[in-house]
Amino acid sequence: QSALTQPRSVSGSPGQSVTISCTGTSNDVGSYNYVSWYQQHPGNAPKLIIYDVSTRPSGVADRFSGSKSGNTASLTISGLRTEDEADYYCSSYAGSYTYVFGTGTKVT
Amino acid sequence: QVQLQESGPDLVEPSGTLSLTCAVSGASISSPNWWTWVRQSPGEGLEWLGEISNSESINYNPSLRSRIIISVDKFENHFSLELNSVTAADTAVYYCARMPGWGEGIPVAGGYFDYWGQGVLVTVSS
Repeated sequence: QSALTQPRSVSGSPGQSVTISCTGTSNDVGSYNYVSWYQQHPGNAPKLIIYDVSTRPSGVADRFSGSKSGNTASLTISGLRTEDEADYYCSSYAGSYTYVFGTGTKVT
Repeated sequence: QVQLQESGPDLVEPSGTLSLTCAVSGASISSPNWWTWVRQSPGEGLEWLGEISNSESINYNPSLRSRIIISVDKFENHFSLELNSVTAADTAVYYCARMPGWGEGIPVAGGYFDYWGQGVLVTVSS
């Protein structure tokens, strides 16, 4: 059970869009639509921002969107704001009643 | 509003046992959910440790299966983590979280973690 692969960092200017990839295998991301994304500001707990690949929980800005193709899931942040500067983690069901997180991406 | 709060010793000696409790408020621990432990080593990513359902079904991370025990106390509305034979590599912030579920018996898992505790830093050191 290996961690899902994310870029270490992505950057953008306010108003721009950034996309974070989350690459797994056919045993996790590729086989299930249980992909979720979490935002974590320094010193805080993770916060759910996307679940079931592309569903936003109530209260999460529609600037956040998710998608999946094959073994890779993606999170796109549109209209980047300064408060979006944080670490982002993906997660996927990995079969056999286990879950795996991504390596994390720092958005600046 | 569901709230989770971790508690336990912040320092554990090497080869000892790490014990944490997660108090749940705003929800009954007997409702169909999966109650989960996640940790984050300093400067590192998140690691799923394991989960227990309201019906006391349990799943563990295979890499920890020989050292971990997760249990639930329905009377106190909390669930607990024990990790044995700890080393410095177990130093981390430990989070409890909820995975929503539904259905009778063993709940169908929602596949995501919607509520998190604030986390507690546990250091393994002599």
